[in-house]
Amino acid sequence: EDQVTQSPEALRLQEGESSSLNCSYTVSGLRGLFWYRQDPGKGPEFLFTLYSAGEEKEKERLKATLTKKESFLHITAPKPEDSATYLCAVFPLTGGGNKLTFGTGTQLKVEL
Amino acid sequence: IAGITQAPTSQILAAGRRMTLRCTQDMRHNAMYWYRQDLGLGLRLIHYSNTAGTTGKGEVPDGYSVSRANTDDFPLTLASAVPSQTSVYFCASSPSRTDTQYFGPGTRLTVL
Repeated sequence: EDQVTQSPEALRLQEGESSSLNCSYTVSGLRGLFWYRQDPGKGPEFLFTLYSAGEEKEKERLKATLTKKESFLHITAPKPEDSATYLCAVFPLTGGGNKLTFGTGTQLKVEL
Repeated sequence: IAGITQAPTSQILAAGRRMTLRCTQDMRHNAMYWYRQDLGLGLRLIHYSNTAGTTGKGEVPDGYSVSRANTDDFPLTLASAVPSQTSVYFCASSPSRTDTQYFGPGTRLTVL
């Protein structure tokens, strides 16, 4: 069974204090790994898709990386507007249906 | 361009009542999905549709039904609501079943 574990569950940073969020996964062949951002009361907003180990993607202060067992979302010099819950999901190569398996997220709070 | 719209935004429903959650997308995506999000459990797939006229069961389909009469609309029906169906429901769509999924704003449903 596919599994996704995100850590930490919650993270509090000072503005400008860089850090990383972790997404560990177990899947029988990876088609893609997705990162989403979710603000309170809103739907998940797509950030990145990673397909193979060694791949990296960047967007503003965020950089996502992928290995064969985990993905990291690095946040460089965060600002208060980066506060949100960050979700990771995996899409397996095999198996029926369209089943994305999501982690439970990391709730990030960036303070002034 | 709105992307994905969902209605209603929120609803309080008596147990045993029938309820249809509406989802419309204007991106001409082939695939559409319904998820529920519960605290501590993450997002779980209820039903999906790869193209108009076809549907499939996700991880937690019991008590829910869907139809896909056209490309744009994907309603989710609770035939006889139960309190355990209290959740936040998200509709999503993707160009094809293996592409990135984009989410709507969600419907918060409370079943009493």
